[in-house]
This record gives sequence, structure tokens and C-alpha cells, in this order.
Amino acid sequence: GQQVMQIPQYQHVQEGEDFTTYCNSSTTLSNIQWYKQRPGGHPVFLIQLVKSGEVKKQKRLTFQFGEAKKNSSLHITATQTTDVGTYFCAGPDNDMRFGAGTRLTVKP
Amino acid sequence: DTEVTQTPKHLVMGMTNKKSLKCEQHMGHRAMYWYKQKAKKPPELMFVYSYEKLSINESVPSRFSPECPNSSLLNLHLHALQPEDSALYLCASSQFRGEGNEKLFFGSGTQLSVL
Repeated sequence: GQQVMQIPQYQHVQEGEDFTTYCNSSTTLSNIQWYKQRPGGHPVFLIQLVKSGEVKKQKRLTFQFGEAKKNSSLHITATQTTDVGTYFCAGPDNDMRFGAGTRLTVKP
Repeated sequence: DTEVTQTPKHLVMGMTNKKSLKCEQHMGHRAMYWYKQKAKKPPELMFVYSYEKLSINESVPSRFSPECPNSSLLNLHLHALQPEDSALYLCASSQFRGEGNEKLFFGSGTQLSVL
């Protein structure tokens, strides 16, 4: 299957700062999904992006799918301690294998 | 009902034991998945079933044997495991495989320790 690279691996922010994680593919993706896994929990679906250039918002979270459908990003505005966890991208082109994830820690 | 139920939640087994992990969903999903997750690592795909047929086996050792007796149930039979097999085993389901229907619903997992 295709390989999706996710960066950064870790991000430590002060509460109130913004956070962004990126997924990049060498080939075009049919769609991409984002999941969040809280410490001690299981992955939970956040969103699916399908269209080129698509932007979706969920409160303080903004998800983007690149124009070429080869990259995607998740941006959190003004992080809160409840945002702590690991954010993964995954997609059907990669048989639902997960990216390496970005672990977000938030200092109150 | 949007739940995927996994049992047991915790399992400790010796290297000579035989045990089974169970996963159940009643959402009418026709694709079911097993993932293995080590601490601070991403979930690693093991097996995928589509319409009760095995469609992906990620070269998993034969000491792990999956079974999908019907569309609601998924089992993972364990035999002669090694200590390095200790991990969180996650089951997931999706409506179908393909055509953008792969939104995954995960169970809470089975934390397995092999002694």
C-alpha cells in the first residue's frame, strides 16, 4: 500500500498556543481520515476529507486536504488540555494503515 | 448502537496457553479489522475481513489466527505467543471496504501480557 508520512512526531505546546500536524503522501489519495487517541484510550474518528482543497472545521479544529490530494493537515487553534492525545491520519489507499501519529502534550 | 465491544479488556497468558480475543458489533458493518498497538506507537494493521472473508493478512505469524464466524463477530485465536506479542489489540469495524466507507469504529481493546 501507499505510505503516508506524518510530521511532527511530537509537539509540546503551552495552553492557548496553536498546533498543526501534517500528513504527506507521494501519490494522490482518494480520501484521508483523521483520528484522535487519548492517553489510555482507543482511536476515535474525527473527520474524512474527500475533495481537492477541502477545508472542514470542528470548533477549534481545522482540517485541510491539499489541492493535489497528496497532503492534509489538522490545525488546532488555542489548544486546551483536553486536546492532549495522539492524532493519526489514515486512508483507504493504504488499506486503513495509520500514519506514525503526532503526540500532542499541552502545558497548562 | 455505535459500539464495538471487545472482550476481555485485559488478558495475561503464558507462552504455552491458548486464548481467544473477541470482538462484536451490531452496526451492520461488513468490514472488520484487527490492529496491534505497542506503547507510544501507531496501531499496526494485522488482518482485515470483508463480508466475512479474509482480505488482508499483513504477514502475521501463524500463532495469531483470525476468525470471522458471522458479520457481527470477529475472533483472534492466540497460541504459543511470545513476550514480544504483549500489546494492546484493537478491533475496528467499518460499513464496507471501498468507495469511502472505511470510517473506523474502534473497540476499547484488549491489553495482552504474555509471560
